[in-house]
Amino acid sequence: QVQLQESGPGLVKPSQTLSLTCTVSGGSISRATYYWGWIRQPAGKGLEWLGRISTLGDTNYNPSLKSRVTISLDTSKNEFSLELKSVTATDTAVYYCARDRDYGGNTEYWGQGILVTVSS
Amino acid sequence: QSVLTQPPSASGTPGQRVTISCSGSTSNIGSNYVYWYQQLPGTAPKLLIYRNNQRPSGVPARFSGSKSGTSASLAISGLRSEDEADYYCAAWDDSLSGFHVFGGGTQLTVL
Repeated sequence: QVQLQESGPGLVKPSQTLSLTCTVSGGSISRATYYWGWIRQPAGKGLEWLGRISTLGDTNYNPSLKSRVTISLDTSKNEFSLELKSVTATDTAVYYCARDRDYGGNTEYWGQGILVTVSS
Repeated sequence: QSVLTQPPSASGTPGQRVTISCSGSTSNIGSNYVYWYQQLPGTAPKLLIYRNNQRPSGVPARFSGSKSGTSASLAISGLRSEDEADYYCAAWDDSLSGFHVFGGGTQLTVL
């Protein structure tokens, strides 16, 4: 059974870079063509897709965040990461890492989520 | 404002059939699969329907999905109290370089 676990600081200062890691267990991150992504959810609001990286290293990003987001893959550690630059209070949210089975979605595995607060 | 449009709320009584709509455009629902997720309070979303109308193993047959043109629907029959949750539709959008879009979510209340 594949499991995903987010890790990283729960508090980030405004204008700094938010960095999170998702550790994958129960299967190799490079074993098959999957898509490893990040989704966030501000308190009381809906889901926002941030971006994803394929097993082959191809990336897609949310156009509204593209200039600030980078997602990378580390197959040696079986993990992938999110970097979000120049954060503001509006980036405060629960961040989920997830695995898509299809090119178009099918997010069958989710991490439990990690709350990141942007505040000085 | 979400790319996919859902009603913010829906409700029904136990045993009833409820439908939740999801409206998009030709670049997303009109040309790609639709997925549905259920999010119980305080938990991560869970895949409910994939590829328009397929149910993952373990999802009861009470849940069904359909798609027509640029719209999709989630139907829940035999409504139960444990179905009270937020429901999100999602699809790939082919515009720009391609990206995933979610609906704004529908909060389902079981009266």
